[in-house]
Amino acid sequence: AQKVTQAQTEISVVEKEDVTLDCVYETRDTTYYLFWYKQPPSGELVFLIRRNSFDEQNEISGRYSWNFQKSTSSFNFTITASQVVDSAVYFCALGSGYSTLTFGKGTMLLVSP
Amino acid sequence: DVKVTQSSRYLVKRTGEKVFLECVQDMDHENMFWYRQDPGLGLRLIYFSYDVKMKEKGDIPEGYSVSREKKERFSLILESASTNQTSMYLCASSPEITGSNQPQHFGDGTRLSIL
Repeated sequence: AQKVTQAQTEISVVEKEDVTLDCVYETRDTTYYLFWYKQPPSGELVFLIRRNSFDEQNEISGRYSWNFQKSTSSFNFTITASQVVDSAVYFCALGSGYSTLTFGKGTMLLVSP
Repeated sequence: DVKVTQSSRYLVKRTGEKVFLECVQDMDHENMFWYRQDPGLGLRLIYFSYDVKMKEKGDIPEGYSVSREKKERFSLILESASTNQTSMYLCASSPEITGSNQPQHFGDGTRLSIL
């Protein structure tokens, strides 16, 4: 069975602070995909990034960066110099060729001015 | 851009009513999904469909049914609404049935309240 754990239920930071959202996954598949989604207060889940199990390169997109480590089964997400608009619920998800997506329970990020 | 449209953002219904939640996607995706989202529980899969008239149960199908008469449309039906079905419902579509290379694209969600 697949499992995604987002241990941080809620994180509060002040604007311009850096923040890391943790994601730990479990799977027996050797080929799998990891995703991050953002859900702003408006409700729609917005796709942020996809990473496959064979690509451990870290990725940076503007203020966002992702650290994928197979050795620790983690796919952590860092926001540098956070902004109020980053306030949202963030979901990590795991998929493979044999099952539908498994989502973590989400981390609510609150960025205060 | 993929567009997934859910018919209502907010819906209030009464216990025992039959409730229909509609979802339409415009990207010719084979696969569509219905989730419910509750605080502390994350997203839970109710049903999904991999083709017209085909459906599969997800993790929490009890009390729900679905209909997929056309490729672009996937309906979630609450046969006899109960208060424990008050929740946020999210529809998604994807070219992949599994959590493979292609991400799922989500609608805005429907906040359903059962009184």
